[in-house]
Amino acid sequence: KQEVTQIPAALSVPEGENLVLNCSFTDSAIYNLQWFRQDPGKGLTSLLLIQSSQREQTSGRLNASLDKSSGRSTLYIAASQPGDSATYLCAVRSTGGFKTIFGAGTRLFVKA
Amino acid sequence: GAGVSQSPSNKVTEKGKDVELRCDPISGHTALYWYRQSLGQGLEFLIYFQGNSAPDKSGLPSDRFSAERTGGSVSTLTIQRTQQEDSAVYLCASSGDLIGELFFGEGSRLTVL
Repeated sequence: KQEVTQIPAALSVPEGENLVLNCSFTDSAIYNLQWFRQDPGKGLTSLLLIQSSQREQTSGRLNASLDKSSGRSTLYIAASQPGDSATYLCAVRSTGGFKTIFGAGTRLFVKA
Repeated sequence: GAGVSQSPSNKVTEKGKDVELRCDPISGHTALYWYRQSLGQGLEFLIYFQGNSAPDKSGLPSDRFSAERTGGSVSTLTIQRTQQEDSAVYLCASSGDLIGELFFGEGSRLTVL
């Protein structure tokens, strides 16, 4: 049974700092891993998706990496801004089906 | 449509009543998911539909919960005899190709009094 854990649960940083959010999963037989952002009272916005055969994906100031063998993914945010304040969620889809399991998220606050 | 559409956006009901929540996925997407998000919590998987295959209902918390997907498009999540612990935001997502990227709706907030 796939389990997804995100550390830390919450993070507060000053504006401009580079930061790393962590996601770990228990079953390395994954199809893809997706990072989302959720603003309060809103749905989820897809940030990056890494397929099983890939090691990383980049979009603007965001970079996500995947290490299946160690069961880990990291989301790197460069030069953080107050507008980056949100909850960041990691989701893992295992092979052999479509079931996608989410971590509990990391709540990020970027101080101006 | 352009995105995943969910209705109602908010629903307040009395304990014991039945509720129906609707999800209209992105046109052409074959996979549709329902998740539940309780206050301050992560997303709890409920059910997914993929094409004409039997749905994976492994996340439904009790037999009061059911879902159907008609014509491979719109889906309805039904909660019978609602309880206060059913209060949550119910999120729907769809995906449409081999990559499997999920796209979410804005959710339906259910409050059971």
